[in-house]
Amino acid sequence: DVKVTQSSRYLVKRTGEKVFLECVQDMDHENMFWYRQDPGLGLRLIYFSYDVKMKEKGDIPEGYSVSREKKERFSLILESASTNQTSMYLCASRAAGTGEIGQYFGPGTRLTVT
Amino acid sequence: AQTVTQSQPEMSVQEAETVTLSCTYDTSESNYYLFWYKQPPSRQMILVIRQEAYKQQNATENRFSVNFQKAAKSFSLKISDSQLGDTAMYFCALLNNAGNMLTFGGGTRLMVKP
Repeated sequence: DVKVTQSSRYLVKRTGEKVFLECVQDMDHENMFWYRQDPGLGLRLIYFSYDVKMKEKGDIPEGYSVSREKKERFSLILESASTNQTSMYLCASRAAGTGEIGQYFGPGTRLTVT
Repeated sequence: AQTVTQSQPEMSVQEAETVTLSCTYDTSESNYYLFWYKQPPSRQMILVIRQEAYKQQNATENRFSVNFQKAAKSFSLKISDSQLGDTAMYFCALLNNAGNMLTFGGGTRLMVKP
């Protein structure tokens, strides 16, 4: 089974702090994704990465950056956390060229910014 | 741009009965993929069923089946013989042909009552 893990299930940070959310997958997937989930809005794509050192903006990249130095790890960075970034963050991965299979998701990190 | 709409924020069904969750979408592409994801209260998102747009036959996975109406851009999920473990948030999602953009609907919260 594919396993996607995220470094924290719950995180509380103060406004202005730099926040790192880590995601690791163990299936050698090329594609990795970061979403945020908010009630009534479903999941919205923040960033995705085709491969190591490659990244593309999603629908809501403002206030976020990402890093993909190794194939198995995709990090989401909040340079200066704000209260409107309080949300559930989900990481996902998928093998390239297998669109019909869909994505595998991590358990999520619930981030609260105070 | 592609969009996905789930018009039913919440639904409930009695155990052992059948329930249908609605989903409509919009895309300019002729080939794409559609998914239903389930997110139980534990928050791990899992893939329930998938449908390739070029296939006319509706996908089926045990008690889960879809009604895919391409011309109407409709993709509903039918759950037969509902079980208490089906209680979850259900998300409809659309993956573009390139496989790099997965768009989610706002979700439907389903409660199965004993």
